[in-house]
Amino acid sequence: EVQLVESGGGVVSPGGSLRLSCAASGFNFPDYAMHWVRQVPGKGLEWISLISGDGRTKYYADSVQGRFTISRDNSAHSLYLQMNGLRPDDSALYYCAKAPGYGDVCDFWGQGTLLTVSS
Amino acid sequence: DIQLTQFPSTLSASVGDRVTITCRASQSVETWLAWYQQKPGKAPKYLIYEASTLESGVPSRFSGSGSGTEFTLTIYSLQPDDFATYYCQQYNSYPLTFGQGTRLDIK
Repeated sequence: EVQLVESGGGVVSPGGSLRLSCAASGFNFPDYAMHWVRQVPGKGLEWISLISGDGRTKYYADSVQGRFTISRDNSAHSLYLQMNGLRPDDSALYYCAKAPGYGDVCDFWGQGTLLTVSS
Repeated sequence: DIQLTQFPSTLSASVGDRVTITCRASQSVETWLAWYQQKPGKAPKYLIYEASTLESGVPSRFSGSGSGTEFTLTIYSLQPDDFATYYCQQYNSYPLTFGQGTRLDIK
């Protein structure tokens, strides 16, 4: 059974940094690209970033380009999102999601970790 | 960036109804479009990819169609479990984008 468990959320001051983690199990992690998607509670979904299975290819949304860095540790079956220069509008529930291998969609999702950026 | 606009934003329907949600792209995404269902307090659930292919385990009352810039998600004979918010997502080009969502309420 595929499981994705996010952690690392919390309350951060504007301008601060935080690293989110996603622990994956139930599938051969190195074989699949992974996403981060965020959602302000009560609002829509916003795709943030994708990393290829081997970690060599990365893509970002314009809203986080240059501030956020996606990475992965295939030996630890873990996905990360390093977030720097945080702003109040980065406050959201952050989901990690698995891509299925045939397209850059999200076939399994974690339950999310909540980030609040506030002074 | 490719913008996706869904309409209606909110839809009220009854059990047994057929409903259609539209997703319009600002430029062609060919058939690289997916649909998701999200219930309050839950993560999204993957329903359809490549515009019309149902993910394994998704009931056959769900149907997707379209290509280019115009896509539809149709739910035939609504069931109580179908009342949720639905999102489209394009994966034709980066950055990937989602529609703003369509909330399906019980009438």
